Amino acid sequence: QQQVKQSPQSLIVQKGGISIINCAYENTAFDYFPWYQQFPGKGPALLIAIRPDVSEKKEGRFTISFNKSAKQFSLHIMDSQPGDSATYFCAASRSNFGNEKLTFGTGTRLTIIP
Amino acid sequence: NAGVMQNPRHLVRRRGQEARLRCSPMKGHSHVYWYRQLPEEGLKFMVYLQKENIIDESGMPKERFSAEFPKEGPSILRIQQVVRGDSAAYFCASSPLAVKLDTIYFGEGSWLTVV
Repeated sequence: QQQVKQSPQSLIVQKGGISIINCAYENTAFDYFPWYQQFPGKGPALLIAIRPDVSEKKEGRFTISFNKSAKQFSLHIMDSQPGDSATYFCAASRSNFGNEKLTFGTGTRLTIIP
Repeated sequence: NAGVMQNPRHLVRRRGQEARLRCSPMKGHSHVYWYRQLPEEGLKFMVYLQKENIIDESGMPKERFSAEFPKEGPSILRIQQVVRGDSAAYFCASSPLAVKLDTIYFGEGSWLTVV
């Protein structure tokens, strides 16, 4: 019940296209859903996050869509650029004060080609 | 994430040796999390510590692994008698006293290779 399932495992998108990565969770107690971006040899960096009281959040070219009833959320990267090539992880957490450990998906390796 | 300092960045140990990984949280942060990332996998929670207290160690293997976060100094993840399966990247994250999830910052990781 603690799993977060992520797909696809890898994704190749042309420059300027839309990259879409999907995640599904099981634990209905999760109430915080971030996406992290990780470049090779680096730690994960928070990209964008959403809480279940909204169905969509947009920050620049990055949008999270959230479907509470389906227990799914996705990351959309508009106008994808070569600099977006990285591994993306979705995650989920229960925002109880005192322990905000994250449950991560298995990652999507995104490659943007010219 | 530049503020969370981890060392060493790369560590090679022979089977049976001990590995010690250090994490200095961002200034003003008193919560530390350790995660492990196996090759081609996501990060797995290991342990959550506050100063001098282990809050949640539900992700720690029962044997050979221990963690501490003393009153002074960095947090340390200790792996005794390492085995090849311990080869992974170990990430530390920190957050401030008044925890908000979007203020959790990760370090750049320590890559452990067991030969």
